[in-house]
Amino acid sequence: AQKVTQAQTEISVVEKEDVTLDCVYETRDTTYYLFWYKQPPSGELVFLIRRNSFDEQNEISGRYSWNFQKSTSSFNFTITASQVVDSAVYFCALGGGYQKVTFGTGTKLQVIP
Amino acid sequence: NAGVMQNPRHLVRRRGQEARLRCSPMKGHSHVYWYRQLPEEGLKFMVYLQKENIIDESGMPKERFSAEFPKEGPSILRIQQVVRGDSAAYFCASSPPGTANEKLFFGSGTQLSVL
Repeated sequence: AQKVTQAQTEISVVEKEDVTLDCVYETRDTTYYLFWYKQPPSGELVFLIRRNSFDEQNEISGRYSWNFQKSTSSFNFTITASQVVDSAVYFCALGGGYQKVTFGTGTKLQVIP
Repeated sequence: NAGVMQNPRHLVRRRGQEARLRCSPMKGHSHVYWYRQLPEEGLKFMVYLQKENIIDESGMPKERFSAEFPKEGPSILRIQQVVRGDSAAYFCASSPPGTANEKLFFGSGTQLSVL
């Protein structure tokens, strides 16, 4: 069975600080996808990134970066120079093919001005 | 290109009534997924459908819940005889053909409140 663990329930940072959200996953599949979604206070789910299990290159998109390490089954998400608009719940997820996408319990990030 | 459309956005029902939640996938998408989010919790998978077929319903409660994705029209999640514990946000997602579970586009959700 697949499992995603986001050990950090809530994180508070002061604006402009960097913050890393942890994600650890378990799967027996050799091919899978990892995802991050953002859920702002308005409630919708915003897709941030998808990573294929064969591609361990780290990715950077503006202030966002992702560190995928297969050896530790982790897919961590870092926000650099955080802003108030980054305040949201962030979900890490795992899936692919006939394996349903399984979500972690989310990390609530609060960025304080 | 419209995204995944869910309606209604908010639905209020009294205990024992039926709730019908609708989801129109993105144009061209043939896979539909329903997830439930209880307050302060993550998203729990309920069911995965393709046109006229239920592919995986392992997350659906055995009673009162059903889902369909007909050849024409939106996908429907139906909850009969609702109870207070059914109060939650229900999210629908879709993905293009050949990309099952590889990238889900979510709707804005339906917030169900059972009085």
